Amino acid sequence: KNEVEQSPQNLTAQEGEFITINCSYSVGISALHWLQQHPGGGIVSLFMLSSGKKKHGRLIATINIQEKHSSLHITASHPRDSAVYICAVGRNTGNQFYFGTGTSLTVIP
Amino acid sequence: KAGVTQTPRYLIKTRGQQVTLSCSPISGHRSVSWYQQTPGQGLQFLFEYFSETQRNKGNFPGRFSGRQFSNSRSEMNVSTLELGDSALYLCASSFSGTGLDNEQFFGPGTRLTVL
Repeated sequence: KNEVEQSPQNLTAQEGEFITINCSYSVGISALHWLQQHPGGGIVSLFMLSSGKKKHGRLIATINIQEKHSSLHITASHPRDSAVYICAVGRNTGNQFYFGTGTSLTVIP
Repeated sequence: KAGVTQTPRYLIKTRGQQVTLSCSPISGHRSVSWYQQTPGQGLQFLFEYFSETQRNKGNFPGRFSGRQFSNSRSEMNVSTLELGDSALYLCASSFSGTGLDNEQFFGPGTRLTVL
């Protein structure tokens, strides 16, 4: 069993739709990270959170420490949001990272 | 501030050769982590360096090694290359690599192809 599970694996949405990507983890963490990877490989850190909720523009990330679950929401999705979204957790013992397998999002105009 | 830079961006090697990849972190960042990304395994943690010391290591064979210099620049080396080492190698830097100072800033990656 992977330490980090993401769902769905693939997601296709119409422009303007509300999108949710889920991440569950099974280890103790210091923080959970949401990453975005565009075709070509570049990775951008979207959020790092250890509790509650964070918002950047149309992106919202939430985490429930008790349930070991996080969600990434995209409101009013746009074709430029098309990318792979990766959940990663930093362990609370040491600094090793564990990654989810990623969610490939395609937003159709 | 300049971002994380990696050189080279692309590399083609043959089996049995060795390769050295370089990563320059964001100025002021002392933690550098290396990751391997393949279509089959996704992103996997290789190792992390802080203040010239390897602080954490993932589950990779000893052919994968690294080091960090006093200016925080880091190199990783892969010896005796195998076909399965073909991957995108990413490095990321962070201020201290712990707790809430561990936001990772990624470089563009080095795409290694082993023939």
